[in-house]
Amino acid sequence: SYELTQPPSLSVSPGQTASITCSGDKLGDKYACWYQRKAGQSPVLVIYQDDKRPSGIPERFSGSNSGNTATLTISGTQAMDEADYYCQAWDSSTVVFGGGTKLTVL
Amino acid sequence: QLQLQESGPGLVKPSETLSLTCTVSGASLSYSTFYWAWIRQPPGKGLEWIGSIVYGGTTYYNPSLKRQNTISADTSKSQFSLKLSSVTAADTAVYYCARQDGMGSAGYFDYWGQGTLVTVSS
Repeated sequence: SYELTQPPSLSVSPGQTASITCSGDKLGDKYACWYQRKAGQSPVLVIYQDDKRPSGIPERFSGSNSGNTATLTISGTQAMDEADYYCQAWDSSTVVFGGGTKLTVL
Repeated sequence: QLQLQESGPGLVKPSETLSLTCTVSGASLSYSTFYWAWIRQPPGKGLEWIGSIVYGGTTYYNPSLKRQNTISADTSKSQFSLKLSSVTAADTAVYYCARQDGMGSAGYFDYWGQGTLVTVSS
């Protein structure tokens, strides 16, 4: 079955850029999207179709997808961005999620 | 504003059937461009898609959940439901319902319910 691999954790200082990766076989040939889940809350879509940002999502969130890796970039990371982030793609009409990355803003 | 709300028992005994309902407000289940999905997250683990349903009744399920799962919809009540049979402790999770925009490679989940914790225990 298809797998998406994310680093379990990432730490960044406020104001720095956070880059969260998601790896999968030929992922660049598929669409990737990203969800943010803060503690005790439901997931929120922050990037869809590789690099599109839903209404209401700050411009500091951006996405890219090429080769085997999709990347979520948070520019000028803020304390409020501390959360778990999950990538998602489709394979053979099946939804696949990455294992999640815990972003800590120190 | 679209809202989704899960409801159902918080405790289910092993080998029994887990039944949850999602009530949708602010939108109709009849839009053929949208699907309606169930997703779960076991404690300390990642998200897992269970399956989706579209207006007309076509359903899609995660093949890795090798068990009889049923997703159905009642458009007159703006509700869709999940039945998961023969549950075990591994089915303990927060269960979310969500709207899925599109199917296939371009689909994504743009609205989520608040989630409901279901514990499987005797």
